[in-house]
Amino acid sequence: NAGVTQTPKFQVLKTGQSMTLQCAQDMNHEYMSWYRQDPGMGLRLIHYSVGAGITDQGEVPNGYNVSRSTTEDFPLRLLSAAPSQTSVYFCASSSRQDGRYEQYFGPGTRLTVT
Amino acid sequence: AQKITQTQPGMFVQEKEAVTLDCTYDTSDQSYGLFWYKQPSSGEMIFLIYQGSYDEQNATEGRYSLNFQKARKSANLVISASQLGDSAMYFCAMREMNTGFQKLVFGTGTRLLVSP
Repeated sequence: NAGVTQTPKFQVLKTGQSMTLQCAQDMNHEYMSWYRQDPGMGLRLIHYSVGAGITDQGEVPNGYNVSRSTTEDFPLRLLSAAPSQTSVYFCASSSRQDGRYEQYFGPGTRLTVT
Repeated sequence: AQKITQTQPGMFVQEKEAVTLDCTYDTSDQSYGLFWYKQPSSGEMIFLIYQGSYDEQNATEGRYSLNFQKARKSANLVISASQLGDSAMYFCAMREMNTGFQKLVFGTGTRLLVSP
């Protein structure tokens, strides 16, 4: 199993550009989430999904869109990048089956917006 | 209000000694879970240990143990016999039933440095 994979690992964008961060998992987990990590602030939840076709906002959703058409994939779209979106982005998946809903994290995408 | 508070921005410990990283949490939920993650300089998030709110015993995983004091709402991580490879950021996190088990709230982290 590859677990949770994210692409790209690094990305530099200019202000106003759009892009999609890709996330995929091969563990058949029903839950998937996107977090951003900024210095001194820990990880904060952007959007999450409880199953294919169902998404909801987290703590910091502005400027981001998500969709979940399959169990495996959960892309994060930046519609018009801003310098405030410079961050490290983590995708995670979890399942109720283990009883503790442990989140498995991808390796992260480091995004810089100039 | 902060749901997860980690009051130690940085901690230093000598190799082979034990160290405690503090975590306090705030919830009105009866059902919740507490996690500790390690983030080395390479950046990945590594799961260390989990404690459920109904678990009677403190969780242990190898050299990691969780000192769970429910009445005080604290969930401190104890690392015994520190190793150089333990140098990393450590995050405490919580999931609650009333906000959705699939969502984690993180603290701001503690940077641990282990010296020879």
